[in-house]
Amino acid sequence: GESVGLHLPTLSVQEGDNSIINCAYSNSASDYFIWYKQESGKGPQFIIDIRSNMDKRQGQRVTVLLNKTVKHLSLQIAATQPGDSAVYFCAEIEGLGSSASKIIFGSGTRLSIRP
Amino acid sequence: NAGVTQTPKFRILKIGQSMTLQCAQDMNHNYMYWYRQDPGMGLKLIYYSVGAGITDKGEVPNGYNVSRSTTEDFPLRLELAAPSQTSVYFCASSIWGQDVHFGPGTRLTVT
Repeated sequence: GESVGLHLPTLSVQEGDNSIINCAYSNSASDYFIWYKQESGKGPQFIIDIRSNMDKRQGQRVTVLLNKTVKHLSLQIAATQPGDSAVYFCAEIEGLGSSASKIIFGSGTRLSIRP
Repeated sequence: NAGVTQTPKFRILKIGQSMTLQCAQDMNHNYMYWYRQDPGMGLKLIYYSVGAGITDKGEVPNGYNVSRSTTEDFPLRLELAAPSQTSVYFCASSIWGQDVHFGPGTRLTVT
């Protein structure tokens, strides 16, 4: 079936550097994408989303880039801080707003910060 | 708003027992979901609902049942618990699929 996957299971970044977390998706019909952050022992937290009619969206210290040609999504975190340590999931939705809409998650990337 | 609440937080079941995981949201969200997360893995969709009275299977529905009699509540029923159902269960809700809010999770162990 369709699936969302991540290129790297772990990422280690120096504190203060920028982090880039990548995600590949396979369902070309997906029209909405979300990045989630999950800290140990907690549920996923929404970070940022992007619709398929956009290439880039910026939030506070985070940017999501969408390349529909190669079905690739990335999350950029500027000036990575210790509090950014978590597992990051990308998720895709097909049929946003329809009765068939559901979210499918990728397997996650663990981001660790070196002091 | 309390957001999405789940009970219990932890539960240990013996093989073959049954239980219901409770989920409630007070945001008037129409969509609700149940996910399971195995250690070191991503979330797998078990069941979802796009409104009261409507439920549908996700990726891993076997061994589970759900009901959605009200907009607020979306309980997940485990019949005949098996060790393979040991996992953390997350309930979530959203408006038309956008900005999904997750509950704190229920950690279930089946021995």
